Amino acid sequence: DIQVTQSPSSLSSSVGDRVTITCRTSQNIITYLNWFQQKAGKAPKLLIYMASTLQSGVPSRFSGSGSGTDFTLTISSLQPEDFATYYCQQVYSAPRLFGQGTKVEI
Amino acid sequence: QVQLQESGPGLVKPSGTLSLTCAVSGGSIISNNWWIWVRQPPGKGLEWIGEIFHRGTTNYESSFKSRVTISADKAKNEFSLTLNSVTAADTAIYYCAREGMDYATDYWGQGILVTVSS
Repeated sequence: DIQVTQSPSSLSSSVGDRVTITCRTSQNIITYLNWFQQKAGKAPKLLIYMASTLQSGVPSRFSGSGSGTDFTLTISSLQPEDFATYYCQQVYSAPRLFGQGTKVEI
Repeated sequence: QVQLQESGPGLVKPSGTLSLTCAVSGGSIISNNWWIWVRQPPGKGLEWIGEIFHRGTTNYESSFKSRVTISADKAKNEFSLTLNSVTAADTAIYYCAREGMDYATDYWGQGILVTVSS
């Protein structure tokens, strides 16, 4: 199985800050990586797929980069509605495991 | 717009069987997509359980493999999760979802809380 390691597990930030979350996989997954946002009591919401493709309707302040084993989710200017937990998921092969999550707090 | 809705018992006894169904609307389960189950224990992260393609091909996460079955009912346009020999550790919110093009998990159900308790 391809393991997924996400960091940090939590971070404190302020509105307007640039935020970066990283995801590392145990094998080369090319660009087969999803990023999700989850708010309390809600289902995850797809932000980015194929490492860097923005899902329709997602604000452009979200961006993804990386290939191989190292990936990054960047929020260019944090907004109040962005305080949530973020997960990466490798989708190169089954089982399509998730990272442990990063909670973005004030 | 594809919509998914989980249904099933919210309470299951220890050593019993957890059975959930995901009804798909606005799209066909026999389309070229994988249909997946994910769970989230209270206060914890997302756990990928497994997936099914409409032709019957399934993949499961190894820690569930011995006690999980995912099946599809094309006539009802729904797919199901069965998890045997449950314990309190299986208490979680269970989500069904669709893997679209490029494995983008783009549509999710609202989730259903299943508690394992006597």
